[in-house]
Amino acid sequence: EAQVTQNPRYLITVTGKKLTVTCSQNMNHEYMSWYRQDPGLGLRQIYYSMNVEVTDKGDVPEGYKVSRKEKRNFPLILESPSPNQTSLYFCASSFGPRPGQEGTQYFGPGTRLLVL
Amino acid sequence: AQSVTQLGSHVSVSEGALVLLRCNYSSSVPPYLFWYVQYPNQGLQLLLKYTSAATLVKGINGFEAEFKKSETSFHLTKPSAHMSDAAEYFCAVVNMDTGRRALTFGSGTRLQVQP
Repeated sequence: EAQVTQNPRYLITVTGKKLTVTCSQNMNHEYMSWYRQDPGLGLRQIYYSMNVEVTDKGDVPEGYKVSRKEKRNFPLILESPSPNQTSLYFCASSFGPRPGQEGTQYFGPGTRLLVL
Repeated sequence: AQSVTQLGSHVSVSEGALVLLRCNYSSSVPPYLFWYVQYPNQGLQLLLKYTSAATLVKGINGFEAEFKKSETSFHLTKPSAHMSDAAEYFCAVVNMDTGRRALTFGSGTRLQVQP
C-alpha cells in the first residue's frame, strides 16, 4: 500500500530535550515536506526537500532541522524543543514535476507533539 | 505571493442538504488548487484538484469544485450531505514555478452534518 508513515504519532516531552520525528514514504517520491498545523492558522511549511541531500527552509523553519540522506526518509529534528513548538506535525511527499501530478502531495497521519 | 481564504470556519448542514464550502484564492500566476479533507485524528486526504484542465473538477465521495477565474474562487460542493462527510476541509494553492512547491492552506472549514 502506497503511504507516508510517521513515528511517533503522539509525543510528550520537556523543554530542551532533543527529539526526532521520523517520516518515510514508499512511493519513490522525489519531493518531501514538513508542515505544522495550529488552530486557526491552517498548515504551514517548515522545511522541504527536492531530492536526496537537497533541503531548504519553508515558512517557519526556526527551531527545526531536517536531513535527507535517503530518498524514502525525511526526519524532522527538534534540537531544543520549546513550548511554542507544541503542534500537530505532518509529513508529505510528492513526485517531481510531471503532468497530472502537479503539486499533489500525499500526507502522513500526523504527529501530535506536546512540549512542557 | 499566494493566499487562500476560506469563508466560514464552521458550516452546519442537515443530512441530505447541499454542502457549499467557499474558497477564494489570490495568485499572480495560474494556480493549482486543491481541496483536502481531514477526518478526526487522521491526516489530510486529497479530495480533488484543479491543474488548468477542466474548470469543473469532480473528486471523491461525490464532491466537486468549480474554478472561476473571474471570481478567483474554487468553491467545494456536494448535492446531498451524508453524516460521514463531517470533517474539516482545507482549500490550498501551490505555486509550481518555485522549487518550494509549498501548499498554502486556508484556515479550514469544519463541516457538521445534523441528522
